[in-house]
Amino acid sequence: EVQLVETGGGLVQPGRSLKLSCVASGFTFSSYWMYWIRQAPGKGLEWVSSINTDGGSTYYPDSVKGRFTISRDNAENTVYLQMNSLRSEDTATYYCAKDYGSYFDYWGQGVMVTVSS
Amino acid sequence: DIQMTQSPASLSASLGETVTIECRASEDIYNGLAWYQQKPGKSPQLLIYNANSLHTGVPSRFSGSGSGTQYSLKINSLQSEDVASYFCQQYYNYPLTFGSGTKLEIK
Repeated sequence: EVQLVETGGGLVQPGRSLKLSCVASGFTFSSYWMYWIRQAPGKGLEWVSSINTDGGSTYYPDSVKGRFTISRDNAENTVYLQMNSLRSEDTATYYCAKDYGSYFDYWGQGVMVTVSS
Repeated sequence: DIQMTQSPASLSASLGETVTIECRASEDIYNGLAWYQQKPGKSPQLLIYNANSLHTGVPSRFSGSGSGTQYSLKINSLQSEDVASYFCQQYYNYPLTFGSGTKLEIK
């Protein structure tokens, strides 16, 4: 059974940093691209980042480029999201998701990030 | 960036009815479209990919269609467990973008 478990969320002040982790199980992690997607409270979905199988290629929308960094450890079946210079508009539930062709067949339960002073 | 315009924003229908949700892309996305269902308090779940392919385990009352810039999700014989928000997503080009969602309720 595929499982994706995110951790690392919480309350953080504007301008500070936070690192999310997502531990995967139930599939060959190193064979799949992985993604982070977020959802602001009561709002829609926004793609945040993508990483290829060996971690050599990463992609971001303009809204987080230069502030967020996705990475992975295939030995630990874990994908990370390092978030720097956080803003109030980054407040959201963050999901990690498994690739099925640039769309997502499995999602984690999500982790809440609140950016507030 | 490819903009995805989804309609309606909300929808109320009776049990057993058929409902349709639309997504329009700002340019041709060549069937690079997925649909997701998100039940209250839960993570999204994949329903449809490649515009019209049903994901494993999804009931056959769900179907997708469309081409070019216009796509739709149809739910036949609406059931109580279909109460959810539905989102489209284009993956033809980066940045990956989602529609704004449709909230489906039972009348």
